[in-house]
Amino acid sequence: NAGVTQTPKFQVLKTGQSMTLQCAQDMNHNSMYWYRQDPGMGLRLIYYSASEGTTDKGEVPNGYNVSRLNKREFSLRLESAAPSQTSVYFCASSEWRDSENTQYFGPGTRLTVL
Amino acid sequence: AQTVTQSQPEMSVQEAETVTLSCTYDTSESDYYLFWYKQPPSRQMILVIRQEAYKQQNATENRFSVNFQKAAKSFSLKISDSQLGDAAMYFCAYRSAFANNNDMRFGAGTRLTVKP
Repeated sequence: NAGVTQTPKFQVLKTGQSMTLQCAQDMNHNSMYWYRQDPGMGLRLIYYSASEGTTDKGEVPNGYNVSRLNKREFSLRLESAAPSQTSVYFCASSEWRDSENTQYFGPGTRLTVL
Repeated sequence: AQTVTQSQPEMSVQEAETVTLSCTYDTSESDYYLFWYKQPPSRQMILVIRQEAYKQQNATENRFSVNFQKAAKSFSLKISDSQLGDAAMYFCAYRSAFANNNDMRFGAGTRLTVKP
């Protein structure tokens, strides 16, 4: 099993450009998450999807949209990138049958917005 | 809202020695879960250990153990017999036990250096 995979690993954008970060998991988990990680700060939740067909805002949703394409895939879209969105983005998944709802993370995408 | 504080931005330990990383949290909830994640230079977040708040016994995973003090809202990580491969960023995290709450809160992290 690959676990949680993310593409791309690195991306450089100009201000105003758009892009979609892709995430897929092969653990048959119901819940998926998008986080951003900034220097000197812990991970902050952008959006999550508790189950296929549902999405909800997290702590820092402004400037982002998400799509839960199917049970395996959860994408994050930046419609008009801004320098403040320069960050490392992590996707994660979890399963409610695991009572602790432990989250399993992908390797991250480093995004730079010029 | 719940907050997680890691007061040590950086820690250093000699190989084979023991080190303790601190974490405190603020919550009004009585039931929740606590986690320690390791992030090596590869950036992958790796689960180290987890603790259920309603369990009094401290969790242990091989060389990793926690000291969970619920009244003090403290959740420290002890690494015994430190190895070079333990060098990484360590993040403490909190999650409510309520079924509808998917929000995991992370501390700012502690960078651990292991000296040979």
